[in-house]
Amino acid sequence: GAGVSQTPSNKVTEKGKYVELRCDPISGHTALYWYRQSLGQGPEFLIYFQGTGAADDSGLPNDRFFAVRPEGSVSTLKIQRTERGDSAVYLCASSTAQGGAEAFFGQGTRLTVV
Amino acid sequence: RKEVEQDPGPFNVPEGATVAFNCTYSNSASQSFFWYRQDCRKEPKLLMSVYSSGNEDGRFTAQLNRASQYISLLIRDSKLSDSATYLCVVLNYGGSQGNLIFGKGTKLSVKP
Repeated sequence: GAGVSQTPSNKVTEKGKYVELRCDPISGHTALYWYRQSLGQGPEFLIYFQGTGAADDSGLPNDRFFAVRPEGSVSTLKIQRTERGDSAVYLCASSTAQGGAEAFFGQGTRLTVV
Repeated sequence: RKEVEQDPGPFNVPEGATVAFNCTYSNSASQSFFWYRQDCRKEPKLLMSVYSSGNEDGRFTAQLNRASQYISLLIRDSKLSDSATYLCVVLNYGGSQGNLIFGKGTKLSVKP
């Protein structure tokens, strides 16, 4: 079956531009997570959705970052006025709502801000 | 203090060696625990869950000590294919319900 799909796989953008990163989770998974990972670091939590609502957005670094999941399936991470420091791999994961369930990751979007 | 802390690594070991990774977590409300494996430029994948009673999967053994808030992973008879970064992960409930928190990871390199 289909896994977690993230698009685009690579994105190069100029400083100050707006970008949208898309995550298509495994069908039926109600939990969806966004992380970002820099070289040599573990995944850094950004935001977690349970269904359509953001259960925890405490990891969003500032108000330039925003994420939505309007129908409880596909999610979009939006970054305004991109900065060079936003360059990283953005990972999305999904899981069932059951506690302790395995989270499945997409292959990530590598964002480069030049 | 980071919520999940791991041995910094890297661990460079010969084939056949036994290697142990340690991890501590700061949130006593953490409910579930995992080890994930991440290969270079790939996404993390679940290696195994960690239970209080300890659990074993082939050459891999995971242990959890809730009192000390400590998690470990033991790899016996290391293979070249074990080379990867191992991520300690906790699942929190309560204030951050359902939130998965990752450690920085420990890099393992198994040499012939």
